[in-house]
Amino acid sequence: DTAVSQTPKYLVTQMGNDKSIKCEQNLGHDTMYWYKQDSKKFLKIMFSYNNKELIINETVPNRFSPKSPDKAHLNLHINSLELGDSAVYFCASSQGFDSYNEQFFGPGTRLTVL
Amino acid sequence: DQQVKQNSPSLSVQEGRISILNCDYTNSMFDYFLWYKKYPAEGPTFLISISSIKDKNEDGRFTVFLNKSAKHLSLHIVPSQPGDSAVYFCAADAGNNRKLIWGLGTSLAVNP
Repeated sequence: DTAVSQTPKYLVTQMGNDKSIKCEQNLGHDTMYWYKQDSKKFLKIMFSYNNKELIINETVPNRFSPKSPDKAHLNLHINSLELGDSAVYFCASSQGFDSYNEQFFGPGTRLTVL
Repeated sequence: DQQVKQNSPSLSVQEGRISILNCDYTNSMFDYFLWYKKYPAEGPTFLISISSIKDKNEDGRFTVFLNKSAKHLSLHIVPSQPGDSAVYFCAADAGNNRKLIWGLGTSLAVNP
């Protein structure tokens, strides 16, 4: 029974398209995150939500819009995809929004923009 | 501007020996440090952490040492096992920042 799941696992699309990545956690956590791991392997936080409220928004282009319909879900919608958006995107969750709390990660979504 | 640095991209160790993974940081405001392990095609998983008020934390085969004056921490794995082969990320928390700053990771290969 997967704790943090993401769909799809792979996403290949053309520049200019709009796409969404879904994330669900069944751990009962109140905080969820989106991370981007780029080609240089840097893992950088993009957003975090606590109880459906935005806590962190890390200078991410506004083409990226997170949506949290409830505590268990945090989806990521990306408009007008660009080549530089190609990366692995990880969703994570934790109990509490202090970042020293253990974070549980999903398996990642590899996005390739052609 | 890398605030958390893992200067060794890779490390190879024989099974049964000690693995030592290093991490340096630049921000003296960091007060909590975590190590995560990542297997290919999976997300990172939490391994061990240490608060800045301690200099050592141990959990089974894994021990993390913190040298605040040198802004350096290290993860020791003893004895190393082939299943420990993974990428190890060091991450730091600056208290009220509510976000972790991650290193680039060190890929550990434990050879049978």
